[in-house]
Amino acid sequence: RKEVEQDPGPFNVPEGATVAFNCTYSNSASQSFFWYRQDCRKEPKLLMSVYSSGNEDGRFTAQLNRASQYISLLIRDSKLSDSATYLCVVNMMDSSYKLIFGSGTRLLVRP
Amino acid sequence: SQTIHQWPATLVQPVGSPLSLECTVEGTSNPNLYWYRQAAGRGLQLLFYSVGIGQISSEVPQNLSASRPQDRQFILSSKKLLLSDSGFYLCAWSPAWGDRGLNQPQHFGDGTRLSIL
Repeated sequence: RKEVEQDPGPFNVPEGATVAFNCTYSNSASQSFFWYRQDCRKEPKLLMSVYSSGNEDGRFTAQLNRASQYISLLIRDSKLSDSATYLCVVNMMDSSYKLIFGSGTRLLVRP
Repeated sequence: SQTIHQWPATLVQPVGSPLSLECTVEGTSNPNLYWYRQAAGRGLQLLFYSVGIGQISSEVPQNLSASRPQDRQFILSSKKLLLSDSGFYLCAWSPAWGDRGLNQPQHFGDGTRLSIL
């Protein structure tokens, strides 16, 4: 089982739609969780940190479900500019300095 | 505020040539530093990380090496490049610890796109 698994997509949605991505992680002891956004041929950029039961930032909501070992990202009122790949990131408990990046879920928002 | 600089942005090298990619961080001290590679259409692969000057941990066997000669400088090198070394190389930094000892997110440089001919 991969340490961090994501549906690669692509998720193709119209502008204004609500879309949700899930990500599962294998290590139940993991404590740090993040969502990153990566545009084509660019570096990943931090979108949100998820430290507790979840948090919200404008149109973006991240949720953590420790019992089922997954985190989710909800995007409301999708914009064309939301088109990107979204990376789920979890810390490695064998070393507190390493983060494991999922392969990403691609989102395409169409007019 | 903290910034990370990585150069060059693109590089085309022949097989068998040497490589040196440099990364520097400003506005912080004693950061954790990381080198990743991303193949086209793939996820990030951690190559090296460093928690202090002269301290390098290697994640995968390869013909690359890393060095940290100064607190905020991280260098990725190779003596002889292979075709398989092509990819998008990313340097990242993070503070060592956050509140309650939790991992801090990593922040990436702009990346170097390396093509081997």
